[in-house]
Amino acid sequence: DVKVTQSSRYLVKRTGEKVFLECVQDMDHENMFWYRQDPGLGLRLIYFSYDVKMKEKGDIPEGYSVSREKKERFSLILESASTNQTSMYLCASSPPVANYGYTFGSGTRLTVV
Amino acid sequence: GQNIDQPTEMTATEGAIVQINCTYQTSGFNGLFWYQQHAGEAPTFLSYNVLDGLEEKGRFSSFLSRSKGYSYLLLKELQMKDSASYLCAVRIGGYNKLIFGAGTRLAVHP
Repeated sequence: DVKVTQSSRYLVKRTGEKVFLECVQDMDHENMFWYRQDPGLGLRLIYFSYDVKMKEKGDIPEGYSVSREKKERFSLILESASTNQTSMYLCASSPPVANYGYTFGSGTRLTVV
Repeated sequence: GQNIDQPTEMTATEGAIVQINCTYQTSGFNGLFWYQQHAGEAPTFLSYNVLDGLEEKGRFSSFLSRSKGYSYLLLKELQMKDSASYLCAVRIGGYNKLIFGAGTRLAVHP
């Protein structure tokens, strides 16, 4: 069964910490995406990557960065966590074009205190 | 800008039919997707429309009108397990990039 795995289901971090969220896919997909999901706002795209070492900003990249050193792994980095980054973070992957959209990971619920 | 609108909440009765609407205004269009998301879980794919018309898949159907920027998801013979959020998403540009509406939370009652 194909999978997108997010390393943590729940995380609690302190304001100002540097936070790493990891995502690994085993489908050899070219594209990988990071979204955050907040009530009433839906899924908002933070960053995506279409190839190793390639990245593009999404709609809300401020306060975040990403790293894709290997095809299967896409990391989201919160440079200095703030309380307004408390959210559910969803990773997804896909081939270049797919009529099913994405395969999603199970999500990481991050709380910044 | 990009805008995808869907109702925030809907309720329906077990065994009934419900239609969830989605309207979109986006710069570019390359397909519309519907996902189901149960509380605390990842979204799962339901349907895909890229041409005008109706796509049927078991109890679920999805309709698209590109000229009107409109889609709906039709759920028949509702079951309690259909209580979930339903997300409308539009693919724009390249790289299979999707933008999502805020989701419609559906509650199915006995």
